[in-house]
Amino acid sequence: GAGVSQSPSNKVTEKGKDVELRCDPISGHTALYWYRQRLGQGLEFLIYFQGNSAPDKSGLPSDRFSAERTGESVSTLTIQRTQQEDSAVYLCASSLGSARNNEQFFGPGTRLTVL
Amino acid sequence: GEDVEQSLFLSVREGDSSVINCTYTDSSSTYLYWYKQEPGAGLQLLTYIFSNMDMKQDQRLTVLLNKKDKHLSLRIADTQTGDSAIYFCAEMVGGGNKLTFGTGTQLKVEL
Repeated sequence: GAGVSQSPSNKVTEKGKDVELRCDPISGHTALYWYRQRLGQGLEFLIYFQGNSAPDKSGLPSDRFSAERTGESVSTLTIQRTQQEDSAVYLCASSLGSARNNEQFFGPGTRLTVL
Repeated sequence: GEDVEQSLFLSVREGDSSVINCTYTDSSSTYLYWYKQEPGAGLQLLTYIFSNMDMKQDQRLTVLLNKKDKHLSLRIADTQTGDSAIYFCAEMVGGGNKLTFGTGTQLKVEL
């Protein structure tokens, strides 16, 4: 498809388990972002990848959160030892990275529920 | 610091104009954006404005920016039921690589 895709669309897990969320950006987009959206709240920036540069991890809430990206393609966000407060929709976005307005295109998100 | 605020809820009648407001605190914002989120869907960019502009019009959408007051608004003319969604304003600071989002305004359009 032409848009950003994410999988799974829904994930229910038990407290303490690890989860892995996947994002496929738009082909040719060098920049990739992860955001978290808690119920009834705005988006919180988590991490940003741009080409081969070191990622900006300034938004990761704890060391239980990590993300990887292979080149300019797929990214995975991993949450270890999940807690109930990790329940949220995790959104991925990609952009050309060079456009002046840095338009970000969002995927549909993964809804994570930690029981 | 970065902080973006919006009112939580707005209800309008079909055919009326809607005005959604947003305030931000970082005066070095370069671009400001309006995103639309429909139930179960990702965010869709509606429009954006560069910080040296006061106004931008795009069909039924009008964006007004008051840099002095750090106030951004989105006006939707002839609001339709399909406009019902959550609207987020967001700012990009400097040549930054992340967006700071507001909490979102839920727009409800009634017949």
